[in-house]
Amino acid sequence: KAGVTQTPRYLIKTRGQQVTLSCSPISGHRSVSWYQQTPGQGLQFLFEYFSETQRNKGNFPGRFSGRQFSNSRSEMNVSTLELGDSALYLCASSARSEEETQYFGPGTRLLVL
Amino acid sequence: KNQVEQSPQSLIILEGKNCTLQCNYTVSPFSNLRWYKQDTGRGPVSLTIMTFSENTKSNGRYTATLDADTKQSSLHITASQLSDSASYICVVSPPGGSYIPTFGRGTSLIVHP
Repeated sequence: KAGVTQTPRYLIKTRGQQVTLSCSPISGHRSVSWYQQTPGQGLQFLFEYFSETQRNKGNFPGRFSGRQFSNSRSEMNVSTLELGDSALYLCASSARSEEETQYFGPGTRLLVL
Repeated sequence: KNQVEQSPQSLIILEGKNCTLQCNYTVSPFSNLRWYKQDTGRGPVSLTIMTFSENTKSNGRYTATLDADTKQSSLHITASQLSDSASYICVVSPPGGSYIPTFGRGTSLIVHP
């Protein structure tokens, strides 16, 4: 089975722009979670989607949003980018819930200038 | 505020030696505690998942223990290998439908030949 894939792998944006990141889960997995990883804060939970519905959301501002499609692929969007949004954005999938083993993708490294 | 503290922050050991990483948490109650291994530039890989009622879980040379009374977990690595060089992250998740995991900052392990 193919693993979790994320595109793009690297991205450079400037302040004020918006960005969309994509995540394709393992085939058959319906739960997709997003995380932000920075040297200063470590890993932080953004949100989790299941069957096209957001089930849980972390403590991030409304500039961070996401969605999930009927094929379980997911996208996250960050609007009005700030320098502090520079981070590694990780996506993870599991079969049904976040309580099961999660499989992470390689991440998208975003640099905001 | 839920917290997960890991120690030591970094550790250097010789190949073939054993080591133990610590994780102390304040999340209570909790649903599960996970240990992840993250190689540089890659997404985390799940090592173990323990529910609050489990005391130990093994995955090859990795053995995790959990003491829910003292809110402590440890990850023991036996007969270390060069490929064990990575960051090891402890994650604690609350019960119920509100999945907002709390991550530790990780322990950076370097295994020298």
